[in-house]
Amino acid sequence: AQTVTQSQPEMSVQEAETVTLSCTYDTSESDYYLFWYKQPPSRQMILVIRQEAYKQQNATENRFSVNFQKAAKSFSLKISDSQLGDAAMYFCAQWDSGYALNFGKGTSLLVTP
Amino acid sequence: DTAVSQTPKYLVTQMGNDKSIKCEQNLGHDTMYWYKQDSKKFLKIMFSYNNKELIINETVPNRFSPKSPDKAHLNLHINSLELGDSAVYFCASSPRSRSQPQHFGDGTRLSIL
Repeated sequence: AQTVTQSQPEMSVQEAETVTLSCTYDTSESDYYLFWYKQPPSRQMILVIRQEAYKQQNATENRFSVNFQKAAKSFSLKISDSQLGDAAMYFCAQWDSGYALNFGKGTSLLVTP
Repeated sequence: DTAVSQTPKYLVTQMGNDKSIKCEQNLGHDTMYWYKQDSKKFLKIMFSYNNKELIINETVPNRFSPKSPDKAHLNLHINSLELGDSAVYFCASSPRSRSQPQHFGDGTRLSIL
């Protein structure tokens, strides 16, 4: 079975600083897709960023970027210039072979003023 | 013009009751899903439907029965509710392609007394 591992249950960052959330995954497929979702206290699941495995270039969306290391099966999320509104649970997810998302256990991000 | 809407947002009921959660998407997606998020925030796929056909049915009690009257709707009916069913249930939808992210509803918090 494919697994997604987020080894940091909680992280803390000061406003305007940079933080990196870790994610590793396991797959035997050569072409796959990885996602980061944000879940604020409002409970919504919001797509942050998407990475296609066959693309070497790391995905970037404004202050959010990924460090995708295919050989190491690592997919970390970097948040630059952190803002109070970034405080949330962050989930790493991978499309599994059965056409559903396989989620990690999440990292709770605290942003301090 | 909510993309994925589920009702109700909160559901409080007693053990042994039967309840339903409704989900509708107006994105024209072919595939719809139900996920369960437990008290530790872990998200796990329950069911997936593609064009009204069940394609994923994870190991969930048969008290849970999804119903898809058309490809824009996927309802979840739960019989004989148990304390362990307390969770947040998310509906989601996506195109069939794995390259596209899933869009989530706002979740239904089910509390069993």
